[in-house]
Amino acid sequence: DAMVIQNPRYQVTQFGKPVTLSCSQTLNHNVMYWYQQKSSQAPKLLFHYYDKDFNNEADTPDNFQSRRPNTSFCFLDIRSPGLGDAAMYLCATSRRSGGSYNEQFFGPGTRLTVL
Amino acid sequence: GENVEQHPSTLSVQEGDSAVIKCTYSDSASNYFPWYKQELGKRPQLIIDIRSNVGEKKDQRIAVTLNKTAKHFSLHITETQPEDSAVYFCAAGGTYKYIFGTGTRLKVLA
Repeated sequence: DAMVIQNPRYQVTQFGKPVTLSCSQTLNHNVMYWYQQKSSQAPKLLFHYYDKDFNNEADTPDNFQSRRPNTSFCFLDIRSPGLGDAAMYLCATSRRSGGSYNEQFFGPGTRLTVL
Repeated sequence: GENVEQHPSTLSVQEGDSAVIKCTYSDSASNYFPWYKQELGKRPQLIIDIRSNVGEKKDQRIAVTLNKTAKHFSLHITETQPEDSAVYFCAAGGTYKYIFGTGTRLKVLA
C-alpha cells in the first residue's frame, strides 16, 4: 500500500553523467515536491509542481530540472552531476485545496552517489 | 523569505523523562506547523501538526504548542522511550510549501 514510491532507491552515477530519478504516487495529490537532503541536514526544497505549474526555488542550481508528465509521476533530472550533488533525494506530495495547507507525504528517497 | 530556527541541535534524555524541542519562525504569514520524525536512513514522517488558529494540540505522549505573537512553537514528548530516538524536524508553512528547521537529534538513554 505504498503511497509515494521512488525509484531507484540507490543510484550510482559518474561525474557529469546525466541521471534521472523518478517518483510516483497513488494519492492523487495535486502537489509534488523534490527535496535534497544531505547528511545530518534538513531537507532542502528544490522545486515543486502545483498541478502542471512548475515552481522553482530561487537557489536551485540550473543543473536540476524536473518533469511532471501526469498527476501520478514526477521526475528529477540532474544534467551534469557533481560530487556535491551526492545526497538523498526525497519526493513528497500533498493535496492543496483552496487556501488550505495539508500534510506532505514523503517517499522513501533515492540515495545518489556520484563517483 | 521564511527562516526557521530549531534548538537544541542534540538532546539526550533518560528513558521516561520529557523532551522539549523549540522552533522560531520569521514569516508572520505562516499558518501551518508540522513536526516530522526521521529515523536513520528513512523518510521523514509526520508525527503531529498544528494550525495557526490553535494554541495547543496533543496526541498521546506528544504535544505541540504555538505562540503566534512570539512566533515560536514547541514539541513536547513525555515518558520518552528508546524508540523515540531519531532526528526531529519542525517546519513552518504558509501556502503550498514549508521551510524546515535544522533538526534535533534526540537520544533516549535506556
